[in-house]
Amino acid sequence: NAGVTQTPKFQVLKTGQSMTLQCAQDMNHNSMYWYRQDPGMGLRLIYYSASEGTTDKGEVPNGYNVSRLNKREFSLRLESAAPSQTSVYFCASSYSRTSGSADAGTLTQYFGPGTRLTVL
Amino acid sequence: RKEVEQDPGPFNVPEGATVAFNCTYSNSASQSFFWYRQDCRKEPKLLMSVYSSGNEDGRFTAQLNRASQYISLLIRDSKLSDSATYLCVDTGGFKTIFGAGTRLFVKA
Repeated sequence: NAGVTQTPKFQVLKTGQSMTLQCAQDMNHNSMYWYRQDPGMGLRLIYYSASEGTTDKGEVPNGYNVSRLNKREFSLRLESAAPSQTSVYFCASSYSRTSGSADAGTLTQYFGPGTRLTVL
Repeated sequence: RKEVEQDPGPFNVPEGATVAFNCTYSNSASQSFFWYRQDCRKEPKLLMSVYSSGNEDGRFTAQLNRASQYISLLIRDSKLSDSATYLCVDTGGFKTIFGAGTRLFVKA
């Protein structure tokens, strides 16, 4: 199993350009997530998809859109990149998003290797 | 107050030392917590879950103190390979909140 894969690994954009970050998981997980990580800020949730067919905003959704293409794939699109979007982007997946049963196994998130994006 | 708060460190310790990190959380209803490890320029990876009764995995021990709303991670007999950033995670309710991490450097 490859786990969670992301493409591309690195990307440099000019302000105003658009691009899509791709993410796929082969663990049959229901929930998928996009985070950005900036120095000293920790991981911040951009968007998530609790299950196939649904997407919801996270903490920092402005400037981004997402598509849950199928159960395996969850893409993140930057329509008009800005320097403030320079960051490392991580995709993650888990069996479940909610903690009604406090089952650690279903809540564990598995991360992809990340995409390092620079916007000039 | 941040929802999950960690001392950023860095903690600089010699090999063989015991080191402990704490993480405070603000949601008193939270029930599920994790510690993740993140190596430099890599993705976070699950280190261990944190159970009410405590959890031990080899040299690592995680504890939950509900009364004071903090979780802890204890590393015994530190190895050079333990050098990393340790992220505290609160999965209570409908949000998963990651702490900003505590950096650990283990020196020879």
